Amino acid sequence: EAQVTQNPRYLITVTGKKLTVTCSQNMNHEYMSWYRQDPGLGLRQIYYSMNVEVTDKGDVPEGYKVSRKEKRNFPLILESPSPNQTSLYFCASSSGGHEKLFFGSGTQLSVL
Amino acid sequence: QKEVEQNSGPLSVPEGAIASLNCTYSDRGSQSFFWYRQYSGKSPELIMFIYSNGDKEDGRFTAQLNKASQYVSLLIRDSQPSDSATYLCAAQGGKLIFGQGTELSVKP
Repeated sequence: EAQVTQNPRYLITVTGKKLTVTCSQNMNHEYMSWYRQDPGLGLRQIYYSMNVEVTDKGDVPEGYKVSRKEKRNFPLILESPSPNQTSLYFCASSSGGHEKLFFGSGTQLSVL
Repeated sequence: QKEVEQNSGPLSVPEGAIASLNCTYSDRGSQSFFWYRQYSGKSPELIMFIYSNGDKEDGRFTAQLNKASQYVSLLIRDSQPSDSATYLCAAQGGKLIFGQGTELSVKP
């Protein structure tokens, strides 16, 4: 089954404790991206990757890191999480750049 | 700041009616437009995309694009309670920009 898999589904952490949210896709997509979704603000792009070893900032990259060492994986790293990073995070992939995105099931992050 | 604007709703329609969801965008360079459906607690799912002015139909869904007015809409005919969800409009120029979504509620 074609899918984008994110883990964990829920995460509660404390300020400053480094964390990683994993994302993996099995569709051989070149393009992968991370979004955060906040009430009233919609989906905002954090980082994206057009292919292996190619990453670029989205609209809200501050406080986040990503890497793309393999085509299928695109982890999101918060090295020192802060409460304003409490949000619902989605990983997405596509074969055609920014469009026709397939989304993962989401990660609800709470930073205390 | 390039924007995509949607009424947040909720938009409430009776079962069997036509639901009309609207979206405007500010970037005249936008070339591709998308509608995603997001059920509560779930991830967005692409349901329609449109590139050219005019209408595009897929089953009960019709996407309409008017580039001169910078306006995109989604019509859902014969609305069903299962259509109750938040609908996200997205426009792609250099980047893909999402609107904040319109919540649709279809009442039996």
